[in-house]
Amino acid sequence: GENVEQHPSTLSVQEGDSAVIKCTYSDSASNYFPWYKQELGKGPQLIIDIRSNVGEKKDQRIAVTLNKTAKHFSLHITETQPEDSAVYFCAAIGSGTASKLTFGTGTRLQVTL
Amino acid sequence: ETGVTQTPRHLVMGMTNKKSLKCEQHLGHNAMYWYKQSAKKPLELMFVYSLEERVENNSVPSRFSPECPNSSHLFLHLHTLQPEDSALYLCASSQLTTGNSPLHFGNGTRLTVT
Repeated sequence: GENVEQHPSTLSVQEGDSAVIKCTYSDSASNYFPWYKQELGKGPQLIIDIRSNVGEKKDQRIAVTLNKTAKHFSLHITETQPEDSAVYFCAAIGSGTASKLTFGTGTRLQVTL
Repeated sequence: ETGVTQTPRHLVMGMTNKKSLKCEQHLGHNAMYWYKQSAKKPLELMFVYSLEERVENNSVPSRFSPECPNSSHLFLHLHTLQPEDSALYLCASSQLTTGNSPLHFGNGTRLTVT
């Protein structure tokens, strides 16, 4: 089955700096890669996703890149703000149903003033 | 609001109790899921219901019993739980199509087994 590894487990950046979170996956058939943000006391919320036919996707301050050859994908947050502080999860899914979504172990991002 | 509502938000129960977690989705989705979230572990898929039929059961102990009476509601019935079952239980929904669609999560039920 799919195996997703996520690094780092914790990340502290100063407000205004960029943050990068990296994930690798094992199943070359995986074709959908969502990223979720989980704030304290809440469930994970989808913030951006990318499909395997695209190498990069951007939505305002967040962007995701995908390298299918190396089987890794990354989340980039620019101009970080205190409200970006949360736990971020990457996930991967192969062809088929969403029931096969495999999550990384999460990255706790702390944006300091 | 997320469109997926879970109740209760917090639950403390003894090992001999019976309780139920409830999930309701207002998104018109046709699939619902139960996930377990424990500290320092990836999200663990427990059950999947597609069109109200259980399509996946990931070797979950029988002390957890799901129920999906219709496409909008999902329950997780709990009995004789163990302290290691203490965790955040997340419900999610999605629209299953030929391509992959994202999961929409509720805010979870924080379960403590004493």
